[in-house]
Amino acid sequence: QVTLKESGPVLVKPTETLTLTCTVSGFSLSNARMGVSWIRQPPGKALEWLAHIFSNDEKSYSTSLKSRLTISKDTSKSQVVLTMTNMDPVDTATYYCARTSSSIPDYWGQGTLVTVSS
Amino acid sequence: QPVLTQSSSASASLGSSVKLTCTLSSGHSSYIIAWHQQQPGKAPRYLMKLEGSGSYNKGSGVPDRFSGSSSGADRYLTISNLQSEDEADYYCETWDSNTRVFGGGTKLTVL
Repeated sequence: QVTLKESGPVLVKPTETLTLTCTVSGFSLSNARMGVSWIRQPPGKALEWLAHIFSNDEKSYSTSLKSRLTISKDTSKSQVVLTMTNMDPVDTATYYCARTSSSIPDYWGQGTLVTVSS
Repeated sequence: QPVLTQSSSASASLGSSVKLTCTLSSGHSSYIIAWHQQQPGKAPRYLMKLEGSGSYNKGSGVPDRFSGSSSGADRYLTISNLQSEDEADYYCETWDSNTRVFGGGTKLTVL
């Protein structure tokens, strides 16, 4: 059974760095077909793709947020980590991770709501 | 970079059918897309992968009422025999070697 679960702070202050962890089970991050994306959704708004990491450790980032994002993985821990620097209230959103299998986005995590406020 | 365009809203009656559209930008009409459903207050759920040929593969547990089709740059999601639980936001997604993109989503109301 494939599952993904996001974890991290529920509240961050403006200018702080956000670190989110996606812990996966039911598949291996080292499997050649597998990848993991991070996606966010501000309250009442649409989904926005943030970053993706492939099994070979190649990474891709949203052009608009590239300077603030870093994605990495620890295969031994079955975890994918996203950091986002210089947080702002407009970054308040539910953050999701999702698995891709041969680029097909087939499983989502439950999401974690992050609020940016002083 | 591809762009996906979706109508912001749609509505249909209980028990009827509805066809939602996702349009790929110029130069990207051959791209594969995925459809996702997001019920109120829940995480998105993968529905299917849909190719330009119209061939589609559904995710685990997706009811037979959901089907996909394609015409040129348009990708369609058809839901037959609409149920109340089908009231949700529907998003399409596509990708290439270095980016992934979501459409703006269609809010489906079941009357």
